[in-house]
Parts: sequence; structure tokens; C-alpha cells
Amino acid sequence: GAGVSQSPRYKVAKRGQDVALRCDPISGHVSLFWYQQALGQGPEFLTYFQNEAQLDKSGLPSDRFFAERPEGSVSTLKIQRTQQEDSAVYLCASSLPRMLMNTEAFFGQGTRLTVV
Amino acid sequence: GENVEQHPSTLSVQEGDSAVIKCTYSDSASNYFPWYKQELGKGPQLIIDIRSNVGEKKDQRIAVTLNKTAKHFSLHITETQPEDSAVYFCALQKDTGRRALTFGSGTRLQVQP
Repeated sequence: GAGVSQSPRYKVAKRGQDVALRCDPISGHVSLFWYQQALGQGPEFLTYFQNEAQLDKSGLPSDRFFAERPEGSVSTLKIQRTQQEDSAVYLCASSLPRMLMNTEAFFGQGTRLTVV
Repeated sequence: GENVEQHPSTLSVQEGDSAVIKCTYSDSASNYFPWYKQELGKGPQLIIDIRSNVGEKKDQRIAVTLNKTAKHFSLHITETQPEDSAVYFCALQKDTGRRALTFGSGTRLQVQP
């Protein structure tokens, strides 16, 4: 596709409900990142994949958050037993690292999660 | 760990004026410094980036300067236009270890016509 695609764009969940957020990265992009952006703040790192390997999950706020990228392409961020503090925009980004150097990360439009 | 402070949080300028946003950081291992523009309801979009071996980079009306000794970098927008109005984020990243971007808190730029 032309860019990073995220679905759904908006999700309203009742407290305690499980949700799954999908990210389709740019084709061929090796690196995939998930970020959480609270209202009026900068994105904060959640987790990082290189192909199918989850190399860094240090930003996941609790064990209710789980991410996977089983075939090294599409990724899913799952939040179990959602709580009000999980309300935020969840951003996915992908990049194609050049050698060991970081290159431009392309962001999707995000999924706005509201927990009521 | 990485930490980046961004100032100002809001900035209002008249169309045609210049705008400057500054960021300071603490981790000397940071070596990639992108700037992102985020419009309402959209994801961040890269507008310019700079690596640690370069002191300045310019792309039309946008420029970024980096002072690695003082650990600060700045975004300069000249001849501002109403469509420049958005939230701007500085960020930094390392090539080794933690690969995630660390973002500043953002600057809301309003260009008055």
C-alpha cells in the first residue's frame, strides 16, 4: 500500500472489554513500532519488532498489553480488560533501516481508543 | 535513559514571520534527530531530520540546527504560512540499543493570516 494503514480508526470499548488494533506497515519495511499518544502529549514508545521478532517491549505499561507480528508484516496490538487510563491514540510506524542506521519512520493515522 | 525537553509549548506568529522551536536532550548516544509535524486527526509526518555528524540542514523554508556539545537542536521555519499551523514534535533515536524514537512534548504552532 501507499502508507501505513491502521484499523479501526476509532474504537469505543467498555471498561473490562478486550480490544485488538491492527497495523499494516509499508510493504517490505522490516521495523515496526507501536506508540501510545495521550491527549496533548507526544507519542510514547510501547514496543518494537524487527521482522517477526519482538526485540523491545519495555514500553508496554502492563501485562494487559500484548503485541504480535507473526509473519513479519501485519501487527496486532491487543489490550485485555481495558481501563479508562488506556484511552489514547495508538500509533503504528514502520521503517526500512539502512545498514545499522535509523531511517525515516512512517506513521499511520492511528486508532483512537476511548474506554467508557 | 533518553529525555528530551521541547520549548515553547505554544507559539503564535504572523504569516511571513519566522518560527523557532528548541529541544534539549541528555543522552549523548543519541545520533538521529527528526522533526515531525502532526495535523489534527493524523499521524506524525517527518518534515526534516539531521544526523549527529551534521550541524545544519536546510530544506526550502525549513532548517534544523544541531549542537551536540550543548545537546540541543532547533527547528527553524521561515516565511510561515497558515498551512504551517500544526503541532510539531522533536524526537531523537540511537542506532544501537533502544531503537525507539523518544519524542518531545510538542509545540502547537499557530500562524495568523
